[in-house]
Amino acid sequence: QKEVEQNSGPLSVPEGAIASLNCTYSDRGSQSFFWYRQYSGKSPELIMFIYSNGDKEDGRFTAQLNKASQYVSLLIRDSQPSDSATYLCAVNVGQNNNDMRFGAGTRLTVKP
Amino acid sequence: GAVVSQHPSWVICKSGTSVKIECRSLDFQATTMFWYRQFPKQSLMLMATSNEGSKATYEQGVEKDKFLINHASLTLSTLTVTSAHPEDSSFYICSARDVRQYQETQYFGPGTRLLVL
Repeated sequence: QKEVEQNSGPLSVPEGAIASLNCTYSDRGSQSFFWYRQYSGKSPELIMFIYSNGDKEDGRFTAQLNKASQYVSLLIRDSQPSDSATYLCAVNVGQNNNDMRFGAGTRLTVKP
Repeated sequence: GAVVSQHPSWVICKSGTSVKIECRSLDFQATTMFWYRQFPKQSLMLMATSNEGSKATYEQGVEKDKFLINHASLTLSTLTVTSAHPEDSSFYICSARDVRQYQETQYFGPGTRLLVL
């Protein structure tokens, strides 16, 4: 079982819709979770991090965490074509919870 | 914010030459930096973890004598690709761990695109 799993996609949504990106992880002791966005040909950039169960909102982005189910998701409201990118889920694992593991990423396409 | 720079942004070199890539944390000190490689349309692949003042930890399958890492200060790590060959052509990305934040977030540099002819 991979440490961090994501559907590779591509996920295609129309402009203005909600895009839902999902991620599961294997280390029950993980405490911190991150979403990065990577545009084609560019390096990843941090969008959000979440530590506590529940929802965390930042503008059009909402991260959701359920530690019992070992599940973290990212919702993008009012999706825009500029949101088209690969979204990487990352989880801190290990004894000190500072060893970051990345999922393979989900490619999102927002169609005008 | 937490800003990480890389230099150069791209490099073209002849086969057999060595290439040095610098990674700097501009507004924070990073005791730990990471080097990744990414081939087109593939996932990030962690190559090594660079710790200030000590030897780097390499991932399985990454040749430490080919990819030399030096982390001489709290704001600078370098990756040297020695005797580069065309198969080393890739997108090299560093990241730095910002320990000021509660759960040690990683911030990425803009990447260095290497083409070996």
